[in-house]
Amino acid sequence: ILNVEQSPQSLHVQEGDSTNFTCSFPSSNFYALHWYRWETAKSPEALFVMTLNGDEKKKGRISATLNTKEGYSYLYIKGSQPEDSATYLCAPEGNSSASKIIFGSGTRLSIRP
Amino acid sequence: EAQVTQNPRYLITVTGKKLTVTCSQNMNHEYMSWYRQDPGLGLRQIYYSMNVEVTDKGDVPEGYKVSRKEKRNFPLILESPSPNQTSLYFCASSYYRGHGIKDEQYFGPGTRLTVT
Repeated sequence: ILNVEQSPQSLHVQEGDSTNFTCSFPSSNFYALHWYRWETAKSPEALFVMTLNGDEKKKGRISATLNTKEGYSYLYIKGSQPEDSATYLCAPEGNSSASKIIFGSGTRLSIRP
Repeated sequence: EAQVTQNPRYLITVTGKKLTVTCSQNMNHEYMSWYRQDPGLGLRQIYYSMNVEVTDKGDVPEGYKVSRKEKRNFPLILESPSPNQTSLYFCASSYYRGHGIKDEQYFGPGTRLTVT
């Protein structure tokens, strides 16, 4: 089983502030890491798929970095807005898990106006 | 419009009455998957399919069946539903990049199932 840990579990941030959170996973047999954004009452939406150590991806004010050697990824949100309120999920892929996808429990982000 | 559709969106049923939740995608994706979401437990994979006629168990397959006879469809079958299968179900699909790596998944709108 691929152990995935996301921290913190929840986060309250003032509008306009920047924030970041972490996804940790076993560094051995790493294939790829997925980040998803999940708003309440909606379906998860893909943010990034990252595969290479040192990868950095960016979509608007959201960016992510990947360190496969130490087994973690950071998601950053710059200048948080109320529409950023959501749960952010990561899902690493490793060859020990075959083609399963195992999601972390997520970081629930709330933006205070 | 690229999308994943699920039907029904809401279903209330009784214990033991067989049901099927349909899932269809129009993006020619190889990989399809079913998840359930329960409070405090996050998204857990039930079954997945790498391509037509290729399916395998996820983390919580007990009580479910799937089939993949066509590339676009991946129905979830509950032969004898029980109350512990009350949950929110999502279907998802993605391209398969090769070498074990899936592309970003597109999720359906979800099916809220209640088994009494």
